[in-house]
Amino acid sequence: AQSVTQLGSHVSVSEGALVLLRCNYSSSVPPYLFWYVQYPNQGLQLLLKYTTGATLVKGINGFEAEFKKSETSFHLTKPSAHMSDAAEYFCAVSDFGNEKLTFGTGTRLTIIP
Amino acid sequence: ETGVTQTPRHLVMGMTNKKSLKCEQHLGHNAMYWYKQSAKKPLELMFVYNFKEQTENNSVPSRFSPECPNSSHLFLHLHTLQPEDSALYLCASQKSASGDYEQYFGPGTRLTVT
Repeated sequence: AQSVTQLGSHVSVSEGALVLLRCNYSSSVPPYLFWYVQYPNQGLQLLLKYTTGATLVKGINGFEAEFKKSETSFHLTKPSAHMSDAAEYFCAVSDFGNEKLTFGTGTRLTIIP
Repeated sequence: ETGVTQTPRHLVMGMTNKKSLKCEQHLGHNAMYWYKQSAKKPLELMFVYNFKEQTENNSVPSRFSPECPNSSHLFLHLHTLQPEDSALYLCASQKSASGDYEQYFGPGTRLTVT
């Protein structure tokens, strides 16, 4: 069975600093990996996804993530945090051939002015 | 605009009430999902519909009853709920068998059971 672990339920960074949100997964087959963002009182919005091909994936709002098979990781980064990045971020995994998503527990990102 | 709408956005109901949540997608997708989002828990998949047929029921109590009359509409009928059912209920849609695996979410219905 698939599972997703997001280290750190809360992360705080200063405006302009590097954002790093961690995600590790377990999957018995090649995974599809996703990062979603949820702003207050809204649904989830896709930031980026990895299916096949290049392991460094670029998404919206300046975010990117790198699939590292040897580390079973898919960490989300952004070089310079902006106040508008404050939200909750969810990592999700889906096995190839299985379209259901398994989500992590989420990381709440706070930006310090 | 996500293309997936949910109504109502907020709902307060007593334990003996009957209410329904509605979801509509305008994306031409053929798969629809209900999720429950509670504080400090991962999103819980409740039901999956594919081409109007229910393909998954994740051991959801019978006080939750889904209905999918067509590929664009999904309902969640609620009756005799418990306070622990208070949560954000999210609907999502997907174009299944496309190899895309991306789900599009609605804004959710915030449900409070009193």
